Amino acid sequence: EPEVTQTPSHQVTQMGQEVILRCVPISNHLYFYWYRQILGQKVEFLVSFYNNEISEKSEIFDDQFSVERPDGSNFTLKIRSTKLEDSAMYFCASRGQVNYEQYFGPGTRLTVT
Amino acid sequence: DAKTTQPTSMDCAEGRAANLPCNHSTISGNEYVYWYRQIHSQGPQYIIHGLKNNETNEMASLIITEDRKSSTLILPHATLRDTAVYYCIVRVVSNTGKLIFGQGTTLQVKP
Repeated sequence: EPEVTQTPSHQVTQMGQEVILRCVPISNHLYFYWYRQILGQKVEFLVSFYNNEISEKSEIFDDQFSVERPDGSNFTLKIRSTKLEDSAMYFCASRGQVNYEQYFGPGTRLTVT
Repeated sequence: DAKTTQPTSMDCAEGRAANLPCNHSTISGNEYVYWYRQIHSQGPQYIIHGLKNNETNEMASLIITEDRKSSTLILPHATLRDTAVYYCIVRVVSNTGKLIFGQGTTLQVKP
């Protein structure tokens, strides 16, 4: 069964460093998403991406964040200058054109020290 | 998207049916009811969705009341592996398709 994959599973970085989180969505999906979950809190929407552009973003997704689909398979989330409060699980999701259910990856645990 | 209310936690005996309620009294005509679950910090997993008819798939059944103001997710024979946080999400099907998660119901399946 096709699945969304994410790398790395755990990333530790120092405050102020740039990080890139990588996702490989399901191959025939066209809509892509990033969510995050701070430990013990709700899953929060960050951004949606379709047709090579951002279709919606939340207040959390400020100028420090960017997304890119550099080739036909990867979907990346970049945090330019990490802050302690960026420590969280980051989930990538994708969905197809016909069905609206989203399929989530296993997540990347980002720890900013 | 309409607001949903779910109990914070529930217990269920292994092998019994787990019935998880959700209130969505402000749901509008074009909003669907979706259920996802999250097993211990893994990525959320889609379970089922419906508009007004009851739905069933290999994982669960979804019962939506006639006035659509509430629904129940039924796991017919709960196993220990069904222990998770279950999220009821009401949303318009749109191109953006973002999901807004609440706190959900923590279901503990006990042996």
